[in-house]
Amino acid sequence: GAGVSQSPRYKVAKRGQDVALRCDPISGHVSLFWYQQALGQGPEFLTYFQNEAQLDKSGLPSDRFFAERPEGSVSTLKIQRTQQEDSAVYLCASSARIILQQFFGPGTRLTVL
Amino acid sequence: AQTVTQSQPEMSVQEAETVTLSCTYDTSESDYYLFWYKQPPSRQMILVIRQEAYKQQNATENRFSVNFQKAAKSFSLKISDSQLGDAAMYFCAYRSLIIQGAQKLVFGQGTRLTINP
Repeated sequence: GAGVSQSPRYKVAKRGQDVALRCDPISGHVSLFWYQQALGQGPEFLTYFQNEAQLDKSGLPSDRFFAERPEGSVSTLKIQRTQQEDSAVYLCASSARIILQQFFGPGTRLTVL
Repeated sequence: AQTVTQSQPEMSVQEAETVTLSCTYDTSESDYYLFWYKQPPSRQMILVIRQEAYKQQNATENRFSVNFQKAAKSFSLKISDSQLGDAAMYFCAYRSLIIQGAQKLVFGQGTRLTINP
């Protein structure tokens, strides 16, 4: 596709539910990043993939957060047993190489009730 | 760890006027990139301008220019001839070039820019 796409755009979950957020990067982009953006704040790094390898997961806030990119293209961010503090916009970005510009998707707004 | 600070939560400017958004950062590294991103209400983060720390010349992109002061760790964005379409949240961001794997962007808190017609 022409840009990074994310689905769903909006997700409402009841506390305790598991959710899965999908990111389709720009075709051929080897680097993929996930960021969490709380309301009124700047995005914060969660995790980074180079192809299928997860090279940095230092930003994942707890072991309830898990990300994968099994074939080096589409990535899924999974949140288990969601809590209200997980409510945020989750942004995905991809770049052709590590040092090049990151292109962002539109984000998924997660609301946990 | 690197930090980025934007001290202006909100700014407003009259259409066609010039506005400057401030950003300071803290790092012990000598090689890095600095960015300004624009985030309209639609949420899609768009790159406005990029500055390589090793370049002394300030980056410019049409109506957008930066004032990069490496010693002061300051990186401000100037928008000339402001247009209604410039209204958005603006984020300053830092990215390391030195440490393998540390390619994440570190963002400031953002500045909401309003353009008054």
